[in-house]
Amino acid sequence: NAGVTQTPKFRVLKTGQSMTLLCAQDMNHEYMYWYRQDPGMGLRLIHYSVGEGTTAKGEVPDGYNVSRLKKQNFLLGLESAAPSQTSVYFCASSSTGVKGEQYFGPGTRLTVT
Amino acid sequence: GENVEQHPSTLSVQEGDSAVIKCTYSDSASNYFPWYKQELGKRPQLIIDIRSNVGEKKDQRIAVTLNKTAKHFSLHITETQPEDSAVYFCAASSNTGFQKLVFGTGTRLLVSP
Repeated sequence: NAGVTQTPKFRVLKTGQSMTLLCAQDMNHEYMYWYRQDPGMGLRLIHYSVGEGTTAKGEVPDGYNVSRLKKQNFLLGLESAAPSQTSVYFCASSSTGVKGEQYFGPGTRLTVT
Repeated sequence: GENVEQHPSTLSVQEGDSAVIKCTYSDSASNYFPWYKQELGKRPQLIIDIRSNVGEKKDQRIAVTLNKTAKHFSLHITETQPEDSAVYFCAASSNTGFQKLVFGTGTRLLVSP
C-alpha cells in the first residue's frame, strides 16, 4: 500500500496563477482533509470531506476550493494564487473506525511569488 | 470554536532526561486528544492519543495525561534519545467518528547526546 500520496511535491507559482494539488489514498478511507502548515502556526484545516461527493469548509478555507469526485482522491484548487498562500500543504485521510488516526501525505511545498 | 495552546515552543534536553510538553484546550466538548510527531522534512505521524474517559495512557517511553477539569493534557517522554528530536503537535477534537482536529502550534524538541 502506498498510503497517502500527493502530487506535486514542489511548485512555484506567480501571483494570479491557478493550480490543483492532488491527494490520493489507497486505504479505502471515508474521511479526507487538507491542511496548510506555516512556521509557528501548526497545522490548520482548509477543507475536509466526509465521503465521496461531499466537501466542507475548515478553519481557513478562503482562496481555496476542493472536490471529491472519487472516494480515493481529494483535490485542492487555488484559482488565483496569492503570496499569502505560500505554505506546505498536507493531505490526510482517516477511516470511520474508533481509532480515527489521521494518515498524512508527504506534503507539497508551494511558493507564490 | 476550539482553541489549543501548546507550550513550550522549544525544548532542549540532554539524552536520558525526561521531556514534558503541555497543551490546554478551550472547548469542553472535546474528547479526543492525539499527539503527532513530525521529523524534519517529513509528514506528521501519530505517536499516542487519549480519549476523555481515560486519565493516562502509556506506550513504552511515551505517556499522555489528561485533566478534563482543568482542560489540559500533557506528553511525557522518558529516557529521551537523539531520535526523539522532532516537532511535536498536540490536537483536540470532539469525537463523532470524524476527527476535525484543531492543532497546537508545535514544540521543537532537541535531544543532545
